[in-house]
Amino acid sequence: QKEVEQNSGPLSVPEGAIASLNCTYSDQGSQSFFWYRQYSGKSPELIMFIYSNGDKEDGRFTAQLNKASQYVSLLIRDSQPSDSATYLCAVKDLYGGSQGNLIFGKGTKLSVKP
Amino acid sequence: DAGITQSPRHKVTETGTPVTLRCHQTENHRYMYWYRQDPGHGLRLIHYSYGVKDTDKGEVSDGYSVSRSKTEDFLLTLESATSSQTSVYFCATRLAGSTDTQYFGPGTRLTVL
Repeated sequence: QKEVEQNSGPLSVPEGAIASLNCTYSDQGSQSFFWYRQYSGKSPELIMFIYSNGDKEDGRFTAQLNKASQYVSLLIRDSQPSDSATYLCAVKDLYGGSQGNLIFGKGTKLSVKP
Repeated sequence: DAGITQSPRHKVTETGTPVTLRCHQTENHRYMYWYRQDPGHGLRLIHYSYGVKDTDKGEVSDGYSVSRSKTEDFLLTLESATSSQTSVYFCATRLAGSTDTQYFGPGTRLTVL
């Protein structure tokens, strides 16, 4: 069964700290991984995607991928109260062919305290 | 953003009535998706489309049908709404040959009484 697992949280960090969000997936061989941010009552918006093992940085965000261990993480440096949201991890469905279907985790709720 | 709109944004209906939700995009994206989002379940794929008149079922398709007669429009129909279909519905689109990134519409909150 295809699964994407995230700790539901809430994860609480003080302003200025590093927030670390983790995600594991079940399908060995998965190739494409995504992090979305969703504010309460809003739609998901893409933060970044990662395909290769290692780190990928974009501003205050760093995605880390370890295919051997089947996990992907998102680090948020210098966390701000505006980062308070639910973060969704998504993995491309291996068996979805060219349709690009994504399997989403249930999300981790992050709270950044001033 | 992929210029995605959804209508209606909010709807309250009664059990047994038909309901149609519309997703409209202006970016000529080939792929379109319908998801529902419920507490404790996250985003689950209902149906998707890979071109005009080309659709297929997702994880939770029972009780739903879709149609796509034009590239820009993807309709989700609940033939006979049930209380278990109370949810927030999101449409998403993806450009063919892209990075598999999906872009989401603003969502429709549906309540079935």
